[in-house]
Amino acid sequence: DSGVTQTPKHLITATGQRVTLRCSPRSGDLSVYWYQQSLDQGLQFLIQYYNGEERAKGNILERFSAQQFPDLHSELNLSSLELGDSALYFCASSVATYVGEKLFFGSGTQLSVL
Amino acid sequence: GQQLNQSPQSMFIQEGEDVSMNCTSSSIFNTWLWYKQEPGEGPVLLIALYKAGELTSNGRLTAQFGITRKDSFLNISASIPSDVGIYFCAGPTSGTYKYIFGTGTRLKVLA
Repeated sequence: DSGVTQTPKHLITATGQRVTLRCSPRSGDLSVYWYQQSLDQGLQFLIQYYNGEERAKGNILERFSAQQFPDLHSELNLSSLELGDSALYFCASSVATYVGEKLFFGSGTQLSVL
Repeated sequence: GQQLNQSPQSMFIQEGEDVSMNCTSSSIFNTWLWYKQEPGEGPVLLIALYKAGELTSNGRLTAQFGITRKDSFLNISASIPSDVGIYFCAGPTSGTYKYIFGTGTRLKVLA
């Protein structure tokens, strides 16, 4: 158990809908990272937050947004969902006091858009 | 943008055999992280490397930070069935907190 908690584990929804994925980092970690993994693909970096502020951004679609709350949990919001958004979404956390720290991953949310 | 290419893409080996895989980049990395992912699960950190030439072991796993800083290697000795999974290299790009992942090496072990 990495200590990173993601909910829900599975999510099934329809095209055009909006969903929210939640992540609680390990105790003491200040940063969360979001990744998307499509079927049989690698992990694509979406966005990183540190202590409530956005710190790094990848190829995140405009339909997607994220935030990190004062209690350090984070939410990834996906809107106007398309079939191609079906994927595993992972959250990772680190203390993020320096670049190169280890990232610890949650078990992911499997999103299916029908 | 920066990419991490891993080879081989997949490998089928017999139980007991040693395994070697590598990860290469067109640009320099200052940190290499190796992860293993099993189906439906999140990546689990295996080994972290921070210095060029560094050799680090974790049980039957040994990883090396390439001298050029543009590559890294992972070896698994005496493979067992539970080694099955996808192995990813990863690292932060250009001193940022944007960690990218390699294309992965899918390992299957035949008992």
